[in-house]
Amino acid sequence: LAKTTQPISMDSYEGQEVNITCSHNNIATNDYITWYQQFPSQGPRFIIQGYKTKVTNEVASLFIPADRKSSTLSLPRVSLSDTAVYYCLVGGSNQGGKLIFGQGTELSVKP
Amino acid sequence: EAQVTQNPRYLITVTGKKLTVTCSQNMNHEYMSWYRQDPGLGLRQIYYSMNVEVTDKGDVPEGYKVSRKEKRNFPLILESPSPNQTSLYFCASSGSPGTEETQYFGPGTRLLVL
Repeated sequence: LAKTTQPISMDSYEGQEVNITCSHNNIATNDYITWYQQFPSQGPRFIIQGYKTKVTNEVASLFIPADRKSSTLSLPRVSLSDTAVYYCLVGGSNQGGKLIFGQGTELSVKP
Repeated sequence: EAQVTQNPRYLITVTGKKLTVTCSQNMNHEYMSWYRQDPGLGLRQIYYSMNVEVTDKGDVPEGYKVSRKEKRNFPLILESPSPNQTSLYFCASSGSPGTEETQYFGPGTRLLVL
């Protein structure tokens, strides 16, 4: 199973771009990379998912290099409401249903 | 509205008193899973189910049981709760785990075992 490593915490200011990198050195061929956002006492919420190269949606971008051993979640122009914990999850159907979340990155956005 | 529901949302119990936390989803998802979340430890998978009558252990299954008799329901059973099972529990569902189909999480159940 692919294990992920992320920074424990990050600080930013409103209006800045934030990049959170996740390492997953033993990612398997058919694994997808998914990022979740979690606010205190709430369930995680899907942000973005990708397999390779770059994916962009209305809230974030996900950059995945060619070797896929890492990925970077990019949040453009963060606001105070982006203060949350961000989880990177790597998994694929060949692992069955077993999924391992990393410890997450606690992002604090300051005014 | 597509959702995962859990009940109860909050529960205080005593050591050894059996309890069940229910989980239900209305998205016809095949995959369901239970996680516990503790400070500094992130989300850890307890059990998961690939489909009806198919369940398997996650990373921390000790002290828990599950059943999947119907597609929409996946209850978590603590036969003899202990204080170290005090935690925040999340149920999740998806079409297929870890693929292009993402997981939807319930609102959480906060359990305190005295």
